[in-house]
Amino acid sequence: AQSVTQPDIHITVSEGASLELRCNYSYGATPYLFWYVQSPGQGLQLLLKYFSGDTLVQGIKGFEAEFKRSQSSFNLRKPSVHWSDAAEYFCAVYGQNFVFGPGTRLSVLP
Amino acid sequence: NAGVTQTPKFRVLKTGQSMTLLCAQDMNHEYMYWYRQDPGMGLRLIHYSVGEGTTAKGEVPDGYNVSRLKKQNFLLGLESAAPSQTSVYFCASSHRDRLNTEAFFGQGTRLTVV
Repeated sequence: AQSVTQPDIHITVSEGASLELRCNYSYGATPYLFWYVQSPGQGLQLLLKYFSGDTLVQGIKGFEAEFKRSQSSFNLRKPSVHWSDAAEYFCAVYGQNFVFGPGTRLSVLP
Repeated sequence: NAGVTQTPKFRVLKTGQSMTLLCAQDMNHEYMYWYRQDPGMGLRLIHYSVGEGTTAKGEVPDGYNVSRLKKQNFLLGLESAAPSQTSVYFCASSHRDRLNTEAFFGQGTRLTVV
């Protein structure tokens, strides 16, 4: 069975600070992993995805994520957060279907 | 590019009423999905379809029915709405090709059952 956990429900960072959002997955085979972002009242937009190969994946808006098979993790990072990054972030694993984590809400302080 | 379009965007139902949510995609995707989003629970899969004429149950299918009569459309029905079905509903679609897949989402339908 597939599952995704995101240990942090809510994170607050100051604008310009670095960011790391945690994601752990459970899946028996090679995982296909995704990060999506949702702004208030909007649908979900893909930030980046990992299928195979290089374990450090670059995405849109300056985000990157690192796949660590030994830790079953796919953490999202950004070196310098902008106020417009405030949103909810979802990690997902694709096996038979897309299974999403509960999300992490990011607040950005000016 | 329209992508995935959901109608309606908002709806208020009385308990026991029925309604149908429509999802349309113009990307020729084989797979389509219906999710519900509730605070603190992320997105939970209700039903999905891997092709025209086929549907399957997801994680939370009770109280919902679906149909996929045309490849581009995926309908979600509530036969007798309950307050527990108050939620935001998202439709998504994706390619069959696993190596190039990603889920494309609609803008959501906010449903309130009173």
